[in-house]
Amino acid sequence: NAGVTQTPKFQVLKTGQSMTLQCAQDMNHEYMSWYRQDPGMGLRLIHYSVGAGITDQGEVPNGYNVSRSTTEDFPLRLLSAAPSQTSVYFCASSYSRSSPRVGEQYFGPGTRLTVT
Amino acid sequence: GEDVEQSLFLSVREGDSSVINCTYTDSSSTYLYWYKQEPGAGLQLLTYIFSNMDMKQDQRLTVLLNKKDKHLSLRIADTQTGDSAIYFCAAYSGGYQKVTFGTGTKLQVIP
Repeated sequence: NAGVTQTPKFQVLKTGQSMTLQCAQDMNHEYMSWYRQDPGMGLRLIHYSVGAGITDQGEVPNGYNVSRSTTEDFPLRLLSAAPSQTSVYFCASSYSRSSPRVGEQYFGPGTRLTVT
Repeated sequence: GEDVEQSLFLSVREGDSSVINCTYTDSSSTYLYWYKQEPGAGLQLLTYIFSNMDMKQDQRLTVLLNKKDKHLSLRIADTQTGDSAIYFCAAYSGGYQKVTFGTGTKLQVIP
């Protein structure tokens, strides 16, 4: 199994540009999520999904969209990039959506995004 | 909502024990987790403890939970240079999204 994969690894955008961060998992996990990691702030949840066709907002959803058309894929779209979105983005998945073990998450390697 | 706090930095000498501390605010947290992040990589689950346990040991790792004080600690025995990383505490308190991560503690191991 490849686990959780993310592309690209690095990206530089200009303010106002849009882009999609890709995330895929091959473990048949129901639960998938997107986090951003900023210095001194830990991980903050952007959006999550408990299955194909079901998504919901996390703690910091503004400026981001998601969709979940398949179990495997969970792309994150930046609609109009802003410097405040400069961050490291992590996708994660968990096999369980209906038990406390949703906290046992598998993380991708991250996408380092810079917005100038 | 849940708030999870950690100190930002810890430095220890190789061979010593490391103790990384975490406090959380939601007394209904049922599962508590420790993750490790090596430079340039994603987070990797190290261990977890259920709220009805006081202690869990896994080789060099010992997790202690004081539910009354809402305090969690991770002890790494015989710390090695390969243990240098950022360690995140996380708490689950119910619902799909309520896995709250702390700010992370950067562990530096001095040879």
